[in-house]
Amino acid sequence: GENVEQHPSTLSVQEGDSAVIKCTYSDSASNYFPWYKQELGKRPQLIIDIRSNVGEKKDQRIAVTLNKTAKHFSLHITETQPEDSAVYFCAATGDTGFQKLVFGTGTRLLVSP
Amino acid sequence: SAVISQKPSRDICQRGTSLTIQCQVDSQVTMMFWYRQQPGQSLTLIATANQGSEATYESGFVIDKFPISRPNLTFSTLTVSNMSPEDSSIYLCSVGLGQGATGELFFGEGSRLTVL
Repeated sequence: GENVEQHPSTLSVQEGDSAVIKCTYSDSASNYFPWYKQELGKRPQLIIDIRSNVGEKKDQRIAVTLNKTAKHFSLHITETQPEDSAVYFCAATGDTGFQKLVFGTGTRLLVSP
Repeated sequence: SAVISQKPSRDICQRGTSLTIQCQVDSQVTMMFWYRQQPGQSLTLIATANQGSEATYESGFVIDKFPISRPNLTFSTLTVSNMSPEDSSIYLCSVGLGQGATGELFFGEGSRLTVL
């Protein structure tokens, strides 16, 4: 089955800096890659996703890139703000379709003012 | 998106007891899933809740320990049976919206269980 690795496990940046979180996946058949943000004590929230027919997608300060050949995808956050502090999870489709997801181990992002 | 309500939001349970978690969605959804998030960890899929048939369990999870019901397209329950401290986790109901290629997964607020 699918296996998703995520790095780094923790990331500390200064406000205004950029942050990059990277994930690799094992199943070349995977075709949907969402990113979730989980604030302390809250539910995971979908922040951006990308499908295998697209190489990059942007939404304001957030962007995701996908390299299908290398089987890795990355989350880029520019001009970070303290409210970006959270745990971020990448995910990939499992073996039965888009909505059965396998999650990465998570990255704790801390943005210091 | 959908409004996904889970009950209870949290509970403290005694070893050896069972607890049933309810998940109610404000619209009919085809795909419903149950995830577990152990303290400080990632999300692990327990099972897919199938309407009108037995749930489909992931490796490492069995029906006797985590029985699931899905009587209709808006409701599901997960029971954690014969609990031990290792079952202390957040249990999350999730639903898939959209059709196949456009589907997105949304989560309920979770049920935080502490087993003493």
